Amino acid sequence: DGGITQSPKYLFRKEGQNVTLSCEQNLNHDAMYWYRQDPGQGLRLIYYSQIVNDFQKGDIAEGYSVSREKKESFPLTVTSAQKNPTAFYLCASTLGGDEQFFGPGTRLTVL
Amino acid sequence: DQQVKQNSPSLSVQEGRISILNCDYTNSMFDYFLWYKKYPAEGPTFLISISSIKDKNEDGRFTVFLNKSAKHLSLHIVPSQPGDSAVYFCAASATGGGNKLTFGTGTQLKVEL
Repeated sequence: DGGITQSPKYLFRKEGQNVTLSCEQNLNHDAMYWYRQDPGQGLRLIYYSQIVNDFQKGDIAEGYSVSREKKESFPLTVTSAQKNPTAFYLCASTLGGDEQFFGPGTRLTVL
Repeated sequence: DQQVKQNSPSLSVQEGRISILNCDYTNSMFDYFLWYKKYPAEGPTFLISISSIKDKNEDGRFTVFLNKSAKHLSLHIVPSQPGDSAVYFCAASATGGGNKLTFGTGTQLKVEL
């Protein structure tokens, strides 16, 4: 089955710790994206990557970092510099068109 | 600066009637618009899209209308079904923008029996 997987589904982190969220796709899509959703808000773009070994900042990149070493994988690290990390994180990918396919999401809670 | 706006946070409709969800945008560079449906604790799923060269696109019970001069689009669902109850997000992109999508804040649709 082709699709996007995100793990874990729920993640708890102590304040001051870095944490990495996984995103893997087997759709052979070139571009991948990370969004954050907060209650009552839309999805906001954190980082995106259009090809391997290249990525760009989105609208709210501060406190986050990414890597794109493989086409299939686009992990997101939430660093201790992110002031308000508790949110629902969504990964998406696209072959090159505008329609993005989303993973099931990871809910991160900072304790 | 919210470039894509969904001014109605919620909408309640009776089963079988029409649901109309609205979306406004401010960026005149946007030329492709999409609607996504989202259930709680899940990723959004693509519903329907429209290019700026069209003013209407239909797919089964779902129709999207685009009024470029007013920078307004709407999603019509007819007839509405209880399974349509979800949050609907409007999104927009611009050619040459790296396929980045700008999302609205969403409208919670509740279809009542």
